[in-house]
Amino acid sequence: GIQVEQSPPDLILQEGANSTLRCNFSDSVNNLQWFHQNPWGQLINLFYIPSGTKQNGRLSATTVATERYSLLYISSSQTTDSGVYFCAVEMIKAAGNKLTFGGGTRVLVKP
Amino acid sequence: ETGVTQTPRHLVMGMTNKKSLKCEQHLGHNAMYWYKQSAKKPLELMFVYNFKEQTENNSVPSRFSPECPNSSHLFLHLHTLQPEDSALYLCASSHVYGRSSYEQYFGPGTRLTVT
Repeated sequence: GIQVEQSPPDLILQEGANSTLRCNFSDSVNNLQWFHQNPWGQLINLFYIPSGTKQNGRLSATTVATERYSLLYISSSQTTDSGVYFCAVEMIKAAGNKLTFGGGTRVLVKP
Repeated sequence: ETGVTQTPRHLVMGMTNKKSLKCEQHLGHNAMYWYKQSAKKPLELMFVYNFKEQTENNSVPSRFSPECPNSSHLFLHLHTLQPEDSALYLCASSHVYGRSSYEQYFGPGTRLTVT
């Protein structure tokens, strides 16, 4: 099956700092999503981004499908950005609608 | 609020009990999903329902039994579970068109402890 690798696994930021999270995947995809999981377990969809660039406030994401990676940018980080960020992909070749999740990047933003 | 609700939020059950988890989506989606999230592991897809039909069973043991009576409701029936089944169980929904699915929206999860 498809492999999804996220880096770095852990990230500690000072409030106000910028950061970049990376997601590499091993096969062609028709669906790529970024999620944020808060400390209480709630997963929030940040971006649906199989290709191109999108921005939402202080967050933006870029997917280069031909090179099989996606980046999530966090600018001017706030303590509420803490949590785990997941990348998930759906393979073009897969039968059925199946997202495969990466292992996540755990982010801690310190005040 | 994501438009997906789950009950109960917490559940403690013995290995001989039978219980059910409930999920409801208010987003008009046509696909629903069950995921399992164990400590230190990535989210694992368990089941996919598309228009009430099960389209994916990711080699899940038969002690987990899903039910999807309509596009808005999804249940996970649990019986004779093992302690290693303790985890956060997440429900999600999305639009699906052909072989493509779109943004998934997750419920808050049920934290299950098997004693």
